[in-house]
This record gives sequence, C-alpha cells and structure tokens, in this order.
Amino acid sequence: DAMVIQNPRYQVTQFGKPVTLSCSQTLNHNVMYWYQQKSSQAPKLLFHYYDKDFNNEADTPDNFQSRRPNTSFCFLDIRSPGLGDAAMYLCATSRLTGYEQYFGPGTRLTVT
Amino acid sequence: ILNVEQSPQSLHVQEGDSTNFTCSFPSSNFYALHWYRWETAKSPEALFVMTLNGDEKKKGRISATLNTKEGYSYLYIKGSQPEDSATYLCAFAGGTSGSRLTFGEGTQLTVNP
Repeated sequence: DAMVIQNPRYQVTQFGKPVTLSCSQTLNHNVMYWYQQKSSQAPKLLFHYYDKDFNNEADTPDNFQSRRPNTSFCFLDIRSPGLGDAAMYLCATSRLTGYEQYFGPGTRLTVT
Repeated sequence: ILNVEQSPQSLHVQEGDSTNFTCSFPSSNFYALHWYRWETAKSPEALFVMTLNGDEKKKGRISATLNTKEGYSYLYIKGSQPEDSATYLCAFAGGTSGSRLTFGEGTQLTVNP
C-alpha cells in the first residue's frame, strides 16, 4: 500500500545532541510537510517542500532544518535539541498544495 | 496569529448516539477547511477538504458542513460506534495556495459500548 513512513517511531536524544528524523513516501506526492505537536496542543507547521522548493514558517526556530534529497525522502534535523523540543513530529504529504494531506504515524521525540 | 478553535475538547457518548462538534476559524482569507481523524497509535487520516461556503460532505455515517462567511464548520457522526473513538482535528487553510494548515487542538471522542 502506498503510504507515508516515519522512522523511528520513538527517538530519545540527549540535550544538545543533534538528531535526525526521517520520512519517506511511496505516493509520489510533490509536497512534504513537517509538523510539531506538543502535548495536547494543535499540530504546528514547521516547514514544507514543494518539490525542491523549501518554505519555512516565520516562527520556526533556526535550530530546526530540513532536507529533501529526492521526491521520496524528507529529513528533519534538530541541531541542538532542548527540553522544549520534546514533542510528536508528524510528516505529511500532498499531491499539490491545498489538497488533502496524508500523514505518517509520527515520531515521538524525548530529550533527556 | 490565526485562531482555530474546536469544541468541545472531549466528548463521551454511548454507542448509537449521534454527536457533533464545532470548528471555528477566521472568516477572511479562506482557502479550505480540512477535517482529519486521528486514532491512537495511528496516522491522522483525512476525512474532508471543504472549499465552498455552504458545502456539505458525507462519508458513511460522518458528515460535515461549512459556513465560510461566519467562520465555522460542524462535523456530525450519526449512530456512533466504538471504532469512531478518535481525536477529530480541523485545520484552516488560508491564502492563495492553501499550503499552510493551521490546526485546532481537536475534539477527543470516546464512544462507550
């Protein structure tokens, strides 16, 4: 089945230690998104790619970076995780902007 | 800062009850309103993407309405079943491309058998 896959499902990292979360898709969608969801809050868009074009949200901290080496893969890099970065990170795709989004199951990040 | 609000925050109903929740969003600069269903330990799943004022969409026992002039959408579930237990999220898409979704915090529905 075509899908959005996130690895790992659970990630523990140490304060200040760089961490990378990965997302892959078999849908061949043009757009890939990264959301952060802190406990019981609304998912918040960090950035998205339309093909290779990167679109950062104005309030996304510089600590968060992203790479999309090809259509199928997108990575979220957190350069120096702080305790406040502990959250669920959701990856999503859509065929075009404005269309329904297909989500992965998320990676829950713990920072110790 | 865009304000997308959902009510109630949580809801417990008995199997067979019909229920509804509300999503309110800005009435200006509207592109689309999305509804997603998120079961525990699974991926959020799209229910509806609604674009036109007065839109009504239906998928099985679930339906939704949209009022863009006053900035609200209702989601209805007829004859709730335990498998409907999930968090229901709405998301506002504004601007010219609808690429940025602003989510509400969701309504957590529990259907008791």
